[in-house]
Amino acid sequence: AQSVTQLGSHVSVSEGALVLLRCNYSSSVPPYLFWYVQYPNQGLQLLLKYTTGATLVKGINGFEAEFKKSETSFHLTKPSAHMSDAAEYFCAVSDRNTNAGKSTFGDGTTLTVKP
Amino acid sequence: KAGVTQTPRYLIKTRGQQVTLSCSPISGHRSVSWYQQTPGQGLQFLFEYFSETQRNKGNFPGRFSGRQFSNSRSEMNVSTLELGDSALYLCASSYGGPGTGELFFGEGSRLTVL
Repeated sequence: AQSVTQLGSHVSVSEGALVLLRCNYSSSVPPYLFWYVQYPNQGLQLLLKYTTGATLVKGINGFEAEFKKSETSFHLTKPSAHMSDAAEYFCAVSDRNTNAGKSTFGDGTTLTVKP
Repeated sequence: KAGVTQTPRYLIKTRGQQVTLSCSPISGHRSVSWYQQTPGQGLQFLFEYFSETQRNKGNFPGRFSGRQFSNSRSEMNVSTLELGDSALYLCASSYGGPGTGELFFGEGSRLTVL
């Protein structure tokens, strides 16, 4: 069984400040890991994914995440927050032995960016 | 390439009624998954269809059902609606092969049950 824990349901940062959204996962097999973003009244959009290879993954809009197997973590960061980053962010895990159709999502973290 | 299309975007039903939601995946994608999103429960996996067969199923009652057609379009049905079924229902498509990557989501169908 797989699970995802996102630490902090709400994170607030000032514009220009570092964004750090935390995600820890549990998986009995090597996982695929994803970060998605959801803007109000929209579906989810992929920010970045880790499948294999380099553990530091770069995504869209300046976001990146690092897969740390020893810590079972996949935290999302962005050096400088922009007002347009305000949204809800979801970490997800899927079993690389099956397929991404059945992903397990965290509860989400709402990011607020203050001017 | 057109994205995932879900219809209708919004609908209101009353308890006891049934509802059918539709999803057209990205061209070439053979897997369609459905998720229920609510403020209290977050994103919950309903089921996944691949090549017209249900391949994975979440922990939802039998009132929730789905199907996939030969063109990969999918529908989900909820019968005997309950107030707790009010949610955003998200459809996601993917290529569907083993070990493949991300999900591509539609904008969702927001169901309100009165």
